[in-house]
Amino acid sequence: GAGVSQSPSNKVTEKGKDVELRCDPISGHTALYWYRQRLGQGLEFLIYFQGNSAPDKSGLPSDRFSAERTGESVSTLTIQRTQQEDSAVYLCASTLQGAGRGSPLHFGNGTRLTVT
Amino acid sequence: TQLLEQSPQFLSIQEGENLTVYCNSSSVFSSLQWYRQEPGEGPVLLVTVVTGGEVKKLKRLTFQFGDARKDSSLHITAAQPGDTGLYLCAGAEWMEYGNKLVFGAGTILRVKS
Repeated sequence: GAGVSQSPSNKVTEKGKDVELRCDPISGHTALYWYRQRLGQGLEFLIYFQGNSAPDKSGLPSDRFSAERTGESVSTLTIQRTQQEDSAVYLCASTLQGAGRGSPLHFGNGTRLTVT
Repeated sequence: TQLLEQSPQFLSIQEGENLTVYCNSSSVFSSLQWYRQEPGEGPVLLVTVVTGGEVKKLKRLTFQFGDARKDSSLHITAAQPGDTGLYLCAGAEWMEYGNKLVFGAGTILRVKS
């Protein structure tokens, strides 16, 4: 079956512009995560959606970052007024139930964002 | 948010050698997962450990969860070039609405033939 799909796969933007990243999770997965990964580093938690609960936004680095999810489907991560330090790979993952209950996170291949 | 420390950060070894990667925290996790990531792809789950003291084996990989559920290790026997990649541990924090997964910084493993 189809896995987690992210688009675009690559995005180059000028400093100060807004960007929108899209994630299509696996159908039926109630939980969705966004992570940021800088080159050669681990994953930095950004935001977590679980069903109809209020999202956990504790990882968003500034108010320039926001994310939405419609029901249990598509999610978009928006970065306003991009800065060079926003350059990274943005990974989306979904899971059938809460992570750590035996169900794995299924990751997309990420969107590589480059801010020039 | 609880923090996970991984060590070493980078490991370069010859084919056939053994190695151990460590994942430590001062806090307790409800469970811990290990992922492997190759360039240009998202991480892929290797194993989930839930019970303190648990040991799981996956072919040449052995995973252990500490008795207090604060630390874990990944041991690879007779490493092969195909084992090359970024190894990430991730701990599940129990929240009211579900589990939030936090990742360590990762260990980059390079196995030379």
